[in-house]
Amino acid sequence: QKEVEQDPGPLSVPEGAIVSLNCTYSNSAFQYFMWYRQYSRKGPELLMYTYSSGNKEDGRFTAQVDKSSKYISLFIRDSQPSDSATYLCAGKNTGGFKTIFGAGTRLFVKA
Amino acid sequence: GAVVSQHPSWVICKSGTSVKIECRSLDFQATTMFWYRQFPKQSLMLMATSNEGSKATYEQGVEKDKFLINHASLTLSTLTVTSAHPEDSSFYICSGVRTEYDSTDTQYFGPGTRLTVL
Repeated sequence: QKEVEQDPGPLSVPEGAIVSLNCTYSNSAFQYFMWYRQYSRKGPELLMYTYSSGNKEDGRFTAQVDKSSKYISLFIRDSQPSDSATYLCAGKNTGGFKTIFGAGTRLFVKA
Repeated sequence: GAVVSQHPSWVICKSGTSVKIECRSLDFQATTMFWYRQFPKQSLMLMATSNEGSKATYEQGVEKDKFLINHASLTLSTLTVTSAHPEDSSFYICSGVRTEYDSTDTQYFGPGTRLTVL
């Protein structure tokens, strides 16, 4: 079993839709959870990070962590074609450097 | 802030030659840097963790004699692919952690280097 599971998609939505991206993880020691956005042929860009359980909002993006169910979510409101990318979820322990990434979900937002 | 650069962005080489990829943290000091490789439509695979001034720690299955990593300063790490073969063709990405100022120890990634071995 992979430590972080993520549906690779692709996920195709119309412009303006609300997008829900999800991951599950198995390592109970994870305390930090990240979402990275990666455009084709580019390095990942940090989008959101959260500590422990709870929600965090930044503009059109909301990250949600439920440690009781080991479930990580990213919501994108009013999705735009420029949001088309691969979204990677990740988890890590406190104080440790090693970050475990999901396989990434490819998102296409159609104009 | 937290910008990481890589050079070159794309390199083509002949089989059997060596290729060096540079990773620089431009506006922060990276005590720790990571090297990943990524195959098309797949996630990041951690190759090694490098700490400034010490030997890199390689992940299981990664040949340390083939992928030489040097982290000579707090802003520069290099990955040298020795005696490259076509199966080494991949997208190589580095990242740095600004542990001194960032309590989350979040990784900041470079733009990646596409290596094609003919």
